[in-house]
This record gives sequence, C-alpha cells and structure tokens, in this order.
Amino acid sequence: DTAVSQTPKYLVTQMGNDKSIKCEQNLGHDTMYWYKQDSKKFLKIMFSYNNKELIINETVPNRFSPKSPDKAHLNLHINSLELGDSAVYFCASSPQVAGMGTQYFGPGTRLTVL
Amino acid sequence: DQQVKQNSPSLSVQEGRISILNCDYTNSMFDYFLWYKKYPAEGPTFLISISSIKDKNEDGRFTVFLNKSAKHLSLHIVPSQPGDSAVYFCAASGSYNTDKLIFGTGTRLQVFP
Repeated sequence: DTAVSQTPKYLVTQMGNDKSIKCEQNLGHDTMYWYKQDSKKFLKIMFSYNNKELIINETVPNRFSPKSPDKAHLNLHINSLELGDSAVYFCASSPQVAGMGTQYFGPGTRLTVL
Repeated sequence: DQQVKQNSPSLSVQEGRISILNCDYTNSMFDYFLWYKKYPAEGPTFLISISSIKDKNEDGRFTVFLNKSAKHLSLHIVPSQPGDSAVYFCAASGSYNTDKLIFGTGTRLQVFP
C-alpha cells in the first residue's frame, strides 16, 4: 500500500547512457513532482505536473524529460547522462498544486553516473 | 540565492529534553511553511505546517512557531525521543499554483539516551 513509489531505488550507469526513473502514486493526487537532491543535500524542484500538464519547469537541461501518461504516473527520462547528474531523485505528489499543498515523497532513486 | 536557510547543520539533544530547530527565510511572499523529517534511504515525510495567518501550530509533541517580522520559524519537539533522530527540512512556498516549495538544507537531529 505504498503511497508514492519509485523504481529503481538504485541506478548505476555509464556516462552517455540514457535512463528512466518511474514514479507512481496511489493517493489520487492531481499534482506530481520531481526533485533532485545533490551532494550538498539541497533538495530542489525540477518539474511539477498537474493533471498531466506541466506547471513548473525549472532551469533543467533539456536532457531531462518528464513524461506523465496519466495523473498517477510521472516518469523521468534522462538522455546522455553526465557525471554531474549523480544525485538522489525524489518523486512527490500532492492533492493540489504546490502553493498550499503538503507533498508526499517517494523513497528516492540514487543515480550514480560513472 | 538560498531563500530558506537552516544555519545549524546538526543538533544533539538528550532524550526527554526539548529540541529546537530553526529556519530563516528571505522571501516575504512566502505564506506557507512546512517541516519534513527524513530518515536515511527514505524520502522526506511531512511533519507539520503553518500558514502565515498563524504564529503557532501544534501537533502532539511537535510545535511550529512563525515570526513573520523576523522571517523566522522554529520547530519544537517536546519531549525528544531517540526515534526523532533524523534530518529535518524546513520548506516554504507562496500560494500560487506556479509557486515552488523551497527547501532548506536540513538539520540533523540526534537524540541520545
């Protein structure tokens, strides 16, 4: 009965590869997010989607492309992986858009680019 | 520019005593504030929130205080328990649908017996 789940939990890959991280929420929330936590522990938003529509798109390289097939899923595809992409990526969801809604986080995906 | 700051990277408190975690922000447009707790290898978990129309919100052992004039909020945990040992993140947001949740860098709380 996991509320927000992510797969995989760990991802180790070579520079230049393309990889995807999947996220699913079973809370019935309309809004989903991707966050990146870097080595300095900053937790920073990358994207948010509300009902499959892109709401927030931070200054993220266009190698990162979120895809929301339905409002319960928000996947993150990363092309041409670079060393600096190594981080923990968290998916989250909320019942309303970011301003006033409590966000519920997944367990994170630790991406290591070699 | 870091809009939400947690200046204490760590805090150590004895079990049963009060833990006070502090957070400062710079953006006067923030009007919703949250605290999240994070254990290793898990995602952040929502703990407690407060909107700018209040100066205090209480939930069991956890109380959040907001001082808007000082742009400062704090989380009090009384009494502290060993299970409270975690990293605590302060976060802030405006109230528009394009507003982002801005996180501080976290404070690691250790509660020892």
